Amino acid sequence: DVKVTQSSRYLVKRTGEKVFLECVQDMDHENMFWYRQDPGLGLRLIYFSYDVKMKEKGDIPEGYSVSREKKERFSLILESASTNQTSMYLCASTLGRITGELFFGEGSRLTVL
Amino acid sequence: KNEVEQSPQNLTAQEGEFITINCSYSVGISALHWLQQHPGGGIVSLFMLSSGKKKHGRLIATINIQEKHSSLHITASHPRDSAVYICAVPGGGADGLTFGKGTHLIIQP
Repeated sequence: DVKVTQSSRYLVKRTGEKVFLECVQDMDHENMFWYRQDPGLGLRLIYFSYDVKMKEKGDIPEGYSVSREKKERFSLILESASTNQTSMYLCASTLGRITGELFFGEGSRLTVL
Repeated sequence: KNEVEQSPQNLTAQEGEFITINCSYSVGISALHWLQQHPGGGIVSLFMLSSGKKKHGRLIATINIQEKHSSLHITASHPRDSAVYICAVPGGGADGLTFGKGTHLIIQP
């Protein structure tokens, strides 16, 4: 069964802490994405990667960075968490750039106090 | 940028009813995605279609490229169909996908 696995389902962090969210896919997909999902705003793209060590900013990259050292793993980093980063974070992967089937992880619900 | 409108935003129906969720977009596309998200859960891809109709179990997705419109139908709806249904199309955002705001469906027993 194909899978996108996110490391943590629920996290609670304090303002200013560094936060790592990890995502691993077992489908040998080149393309991986990090989204955040907020009520009334839908899914918004934070960062994406089309290859190892390659990263591109999405629509809302401020306050985030990413790392893709291996094809199967795409990490989202919050260097200094803030309360407005409280959200649901979803990782996705796909084979084709915009026409491939999308596979999502279960999501990581982050609360920043 | 492709603008995506989904309707209705919220829908409550009784078990067994036929459900239709609509998605309209502003710019011609190569493929459209329908996604499902259960409460507290991750997102699952239901369909990716570029023309005509696709069926999977009780779910049917149709697309009319000329009218820039797609529908997701659920036959013999069941409480386990309660979820948010999201459509996504190319043509917007840095990764080329624009997502609708979703339709929140509740099926009551």
